[in-house]
Amino acid sequence: DGGITQSPKYLFRKEGQNVTLSCEQNLNHDAMYWYRQDPGQGLRLIYYSQIVNDFQKGDIAEGYSVSREKKESFPLTVTSAQKNPTAFYLCAISGTVTGELFFGEGSRLTVL
Amino acid sequence: KQEVTQIPAALSVPEGENLVLNCSFTDSAIYNLQWFRQDPGKGLTSLLLIQSSQREQTSGRLNASLDKSSGRSTLYIAASQPGDSATYLCAVRWYGATNKLIFGTGTLLAVQP
Repeated sequence: DGGITQSPKYLFRKEGQNVTLSCEQNLNHDAMYWYRQDPGQGLRLIYYSQIVNDFQKGDIAEGYSVSREKKESFPLTVTSAQKNPTAFYLCAISGTVTGELFFGEGSRLTVL
Repeated sequence: KQEVTQIPAALSVPEGENLVLNCSFTDSAIYNLQWFRQDPGKGLTSLLLIQSSQREQTSGRLNASLDKSSGRSTLYIAASQPGDSATYLCAVRWYGATNKLIFGTGTLLAVQP
């Protein structure tokens, strides 16, 4: 969806480094989410945020951190504490009326 | 435990065939169910959203049905085309946890020309 922008599309990181993935939206939706996708495992929820300055852990939050200082932005930091960070990361948004989820194009992180 | 299952994991059909993809879920107290399409290396594209009170939704050649009592949803694709080749995922949101979607692992569809 053109209203959700994830960057970078590809990212390489050395072990021990923190990296931050960007997610920006211009659709004025309240809820934003971060999912991780691994082959054969489906999508798993990392963090979500319903309003500015508030966010909740998902099923696999360990080794990740987020912030929600602005409604349009929900960056995800993959810290060095994340044991297996190589994955495809997807940001999503949803409105409060229908709850329909819309995704960005994803960011592929590879740890060297 | 609330789970979503999609069988088969992969499906190959000749062009022009009508086909059905299956999605099963535990716990019938769902809030809504959403079908997505994912092309290789891309994000997910929303296809259809069915609310708990609805039985089906249609968009073009796609029709999604919902049977809460049996814990099943189907995605019907009419007159399949090679461009329909992708992974199709379903996801369920339950009452009491409406902030979270639980995803199935998807069905990889290949439409042969």
